[in-house]
Amino acid sequence: DGGITQSPKYLFRKEGQNVTLSCEQNLNHDAMYWYRQDPGQGLRLIYYSQIVNDFQKGDIAEGYSVSREKKESFPLTVTSAQKNPTAFYLCASSTRGGSTDTQYFGPGTRLTVL
Amino acid sequence: GIQVEQSPPDLILQEGANSTLRCNFSDSVNNLQWFHQNPWGQLINLFYIPSGTKQNGRLSATTVATERYSLLYISSSQTTDSGVYFCAVGERDGNNRKLIWGLGTSLAVNP
Repeated sequence: DGGITQSPKYLFRKEGQNVTLSCEQNLNHDAMYWYRQDPGQGLRLIYYSQIVNDFQKGDIAEGYSVSREKKESFPLTVTSAQKNPTAFYLCASSTRGGSTDTQYFGPGTRLTVL
Repeated sequence: GIQVEQSPPDLILQEGANSTLRCNFSDSVNNLQWFHQNPWGQLINLFYIPSGTKQNGRLSATTVATERYSLLYISSSQTTDSGVYFCAVGERDGNNRKLIWGLGTSLAVNP
C-alpha cells in the first residue's frame, strides 16, 4: 500500500545527544516536509524539500538538520543545539506542481528528552 | 505574513448533532486545506478547497475567498469525529507548498 512511514514511533533521548528521525514515502511525491507539534498547538514547519538534493528552512529550523539524497527519504536530525526538542514530529509529502498540493502525513514520532 | 484563525477553539457535541467550524485568513490564498487529527495524532486531509464548496459524506466545506473565510460542516456527528480539526493555507504570492496552519478546533463528540 502507498503511504508515508515514520520511525520510531516513540524516541527517548538524553540531553546532549543527536537523534535522527526517519521518514519514507512510496507515493512518488516530489515534495516532503517536517513539522513540529507541541501540546495544544498547531503545526510549525521545520524544513521542506521540493526535489532531491534540495531543501529549505522553515520557520523553526534552528537546531535541526535534514538531507534529501533519495526521493523516497527525508530524515530529520534533532541536534544537541535544539534547546527544547521534546515534541511530536510529523512528516508529510505532496505532489509537485500545480495548485493541488494536498499534503499527506505519516503517523508521527514522539520525542522525549530525559 | 498571513494569519490563520480558527473558531471555536473547543467544541463539545452530543452524538447526532451538527456543527460548523470556521477558518479566517488575513490575505489572499491559493491553497486551503482542512485536516482532521485523531486522538492518536494521525493527520488526515479532508478537503483541498481554495474556493467553492465540496462535500464528502457527512462532511462539507465552503471557502469564500473574496471574504477570506472557510467553513467546515459536520452533520450527524459520530464519536469517531472527535479530534482536532486544522485549517491550513498557502499564500497566493508565496511558495505554493508552504502551508500556514491555524491552532485548530478541538472537537469532542459524546455518545
